[in-house]
Amino acid sequence: NAGVTQTPKFQVLKTGQSMTLQCAQDMNHNSMYWYRQDPGMGLRLIYYSASEGTTDKGEVPNGYNVSRLNKREFSLRLESAAPSQTSVYFCASGGLENTGELFFGEGSRLTVL
Amino acid sequence: KNQVEQSPQSLIILEGKNCTLQCNYTVSPFSNLRWYKQDTGRGPVSLTIMTFSENTKSNGRYTATLDADTKQSSLHITASQLSDSASYICVVKYGNNRLAFGKGNQVVVIP
Repeated sequence: NAGVTQTPKFQVLKTGQSMTLQCAQDMNHNSMYWYRQDPGMGLRLIYYSASEGTTDKGEVPNGYNVSRLNKREFSLRLESAAPSQTSVYFCASGGLENTGELFFGEGSRLTVL
Repeated sequence: KNQVEQSPQSLIILEGKNCTLQCNYTVSPFSNLRWYKQDTGRGPVSLTIMTFSENTKSNGRYTATLDADTKQSSLHITASQLSDSASYICVVKYGNNRLAFGKGNQVVVIP
């Protein structure tokens, strides 16, 4: 039982390049989330999907797009990466189920030069 | 102003000693409060959940308390071990399934 799987774990981009972070969960959760974590800032919500076919902006959505491909998969895309997007990105699922426990992936460390 | 404030931001403790982490929140209406543990380089993992009717709950050497009247929670670590070195994040569920995150307490246990 893998839980929440994110890829890639590490990525280095140049300013202006694009990339997609992939996330998949095998817990049959309806809700999925993308967070970024920066030193001293804690976890901040970028986008979330309450259920398959829906997505909503979180606290810091600018510069990002998301796709809820199916119930299992939720991807995060950076169309034109900026140094300010250097961060650790976490995918999570389950926040709207039952007691709201979030199950997190292992994180994707992105550096934009 | 952050809706969930955690203190201290960081602390260093000797192995075997106890410590207490604080979480104060302002959001309402309250549903529940979770403490997550985040090891370095890993995703956060839930340690314990506190609901409105619960004052104290233990999970091994971790004991969480909740005072819903004053909107305060604490996480007490007893007889700390090196493996307790981590960030501890307080997350409050409130309103219509909304989540508010604290910035975390960074704990370093030294031998």
